[in-house]
Amino acid sequence: AQSVSQHNHHVILSEAASLELGCNYSYGGTVNLFWYVQYPGQHLQLLLKYFSGDPLVKGIKGFEAEFIKSKFSFNLRKPSVQWSDTAEYFCAVNAGASKIIFGSGTRLSIRP
Amino acid sequence: ETGVTQSPTHLIKTRGQQVTLRCSSQSGHNTVSWYQQALGQGPQFIFQYYREEENGRGNFPPRFSGLQFPNYSSELNVNALELDDSALYLCASSLDAGATYNEQFFGPGTRLTVL
Repeated sequence: AQSVSQHNHHVILSEAASLELGCNYSYGGTVNLFWYVQYPGQHLQLLLKYFSGDPLVKGIKGFEAEFIKSKFSFNLRKPSVQWSDTAEYFCAVNAGASKIIFGSGTRLSIRP
Repeated sequence: ETGVTQSPTHLIKTRGQQVTLRCSSQSGHNTVSWYQQALGQGPQFIFQYYREEENGRGNFPPRFSGLQFPNYSSELNVNALELDDSALYLCASSLDAGATYNEQFFGPGTRLTVL
């Protein structure tokens, strides 16, 4: 069955620290990959997406993610986090047809 | 451009009752997807409607049903409510499910509590 695993349930960092959130998926075919973010009190919104081409994808607010096909991974990174990055982050995969499968999410807390 | 809206914001029902949740898609979008997000979990795909037809369904029982109207707004109906149906229900709209994947825009959700 298709699934998405996010390894970290809750990550706590200080401002200016570097961030890497892990995401692995299980699906053997062609995938489209996404990271969504949910800031406190706001809607889910798209942070970045990978369809094809360059496996290093840049998104909004300085985030990037790298697709490593051999590892079935799509980790999210940011070199220097800010307090405003406090949010819940969801990795997701579009594994054919209309269905998107989300991971369980990683809560990111930034200490000012 | 109007974003995705959902109503009501919150709802409390008792076990066995039926509920209808509503979603208005973003202007110009003809595809609506519904998700259930339990506390501490990621959203789970319920189904998608494209041009008024169901276009894919997740692992939810038939008591979860939906409709899409000619103006592309949508309803999610849940019959015979169970305690485990308590969750945040999210609606997302996008353009042309039949084309290469297009970004889904999410609404604020309806928080359903089943007592």
